[in-house]
Amino acid sequence: GNSVTQMEGPVTLSEEAFLTINCTYTATGYPSLFWYVQYPGEGLQLLLKATKADDKGSNKGFEATYRKETTSFHLEKGSVQVSDSAVYFCALSPSGGYNKLIFGAGTRLAVHP
Amino acid sequence: GAGVSQSPSNKVTEKGKDVELRCDPISGHTALYWYRQSLGQGLEFLIYFQGNSAPDKSGLPSDRFSAERTGGSVSTLTIQRTQQEDSAVYLCASSFGVGANTGELFFGEGSRLTVL
Repeated sequence: GNSVTQMEGPVTLSEEAFLTINCTYTATGYPSLFWYVQYPGEGLQLLLKATKADDKGSNKGFEATYRKETTSFHLEKGSVQVSDSAVYFCALSPSGGYNKLIFGAGTRLAVHP
Repeated sequence: GAGVSQSPSNKVTEKGKDVELRCDPISGHTALYWYRQSLGQGLEFLIYFQGNSAPDKSGLPSDRFSAERTGGSVSTLTIQRTQQEDSAVYLCASSFGVGANTGELFFGEGSRLTVL
């Protein structure tokens, strides 16, 4: 079946530190991959996506590369800010399917000044 | 507002009571989803509506859960004879339908259900 595994949080960093949140997936075929973010008091929103192998999604300084050989889609940012504090969810959309997303458990990020 | 609207934002109920949760999707979105977010868990898919097609109910955890979508717009998720394990945040999302598989779902802020 299809599933997403992401690193447990919370992740606590100082401002300007480098961020990596690991995400691996299990899927048949060729899924699309996503990172969603949930800021405090807000609904989930799409951060970035990649629809095929070797694609790199990027937004707001965050990047993730679709690695089919390692079935991974790790989220990275070179210099985090306090405003990046949120919960980050990795997700996949099964190939050929509609927008029925399968989510990981979420990773809470706390960035301190 | 132009976003997905859910109500109530918080609901506390006693075990055994029925509850209804409402979702107003973004105008023009033909697809609507319900997810459940339990403490420490990821988002669990519950049900999906697309236009006039039969809904995908494959994620509903038991027959106490049901949902309907009237007029292709507003949706109501109903939980009958609530149990304590039903306590969670229920999230609604909408998107453009099949054929626009961008993966971008627009989420509401959720309805937090607490069953005592």
